[in-house]
Amino acid sequence: QKEVEQNSGPLSVPEGAIASLNCTYSDRGSQSFFWYRQYSGKSPELIMFIYSNGDKEDGRFTAQLNKASQYVSLLIRDSQPSDSATYLCAVKGGYGGSQGNLIFGKGTKLSVKP
Amino acid sequence: SAVISQKPSRDICQRGTSLTIQCQVDSQVTMMFWYRQQPGQSLTLIATANQGSEATYESGFVIDKFPISRPNLTFSTLTVSNMSPEDSSIYLCSVSWQGNTEAFFGQGTRLTVV
Repeated sequence: QKEVEQNSGPLSVPEGAIASLNCTYSDRGSQSFFWYRQYSGKSPELIMFIYSNGDKEDGRFTAQLNKASQYVSLLIRDSQPSDSATYLCAVKGGYGGSQGNLIFGKGTKLSVKP
Repeated sequence: SAVISQKPSRDICQRGTSLTIQCQVDSQVTMMFWYRQQPGQSLTLIATANQGSEATYESGFVIDKFPISRPNLTFSTLTVSNMSPEDSSIYLCSVSWQGNTEAFFGQGTRLTVV
């Protein structure tokens, strides 16, 4: 069974702090990794994707990938109340006949307190 | 990216009836997927909609319950058949391209079965 694991939270951080969201995956053949943000009642919105080991930065967001440890993280700097949402980790590739689709974690609910 | 239009956005249906959800994309895409998101849960893949052939269903989902069509590279439908209250969920269309590329979501269909 291919799995993507996330701490469900809720994760609560004060405004201006760094929020750290973590994700592990079970299939070593996974090729690409995604972070989606989902506001309540809305569909998932892509924030970042990463394919190679290391860090990838985009504005206040940094994705980190460690394939040896099968670990992906998302850092949100200078957290804002508008960042309060559920963050979904998704993994693509290495799943045989279903390559191309995303396998999602259960999501981590982030709350940024003013 | 792509603009994905999903219809209807929400519906309330009687048990035993069927509902067809449409997904229209503004450009040709390689892959189209249908996901289900039950209340408070993450996304679960129902099936991959294959252009010109039968959809590929994930474990636990069958064609008789969730027939899918994909007549061309920009359009797909998902039918939820013989509905019961357990089918109450958000149904999401997703599109992607071959290779290590990101996936985008329609705005979802919120289905309530009474």
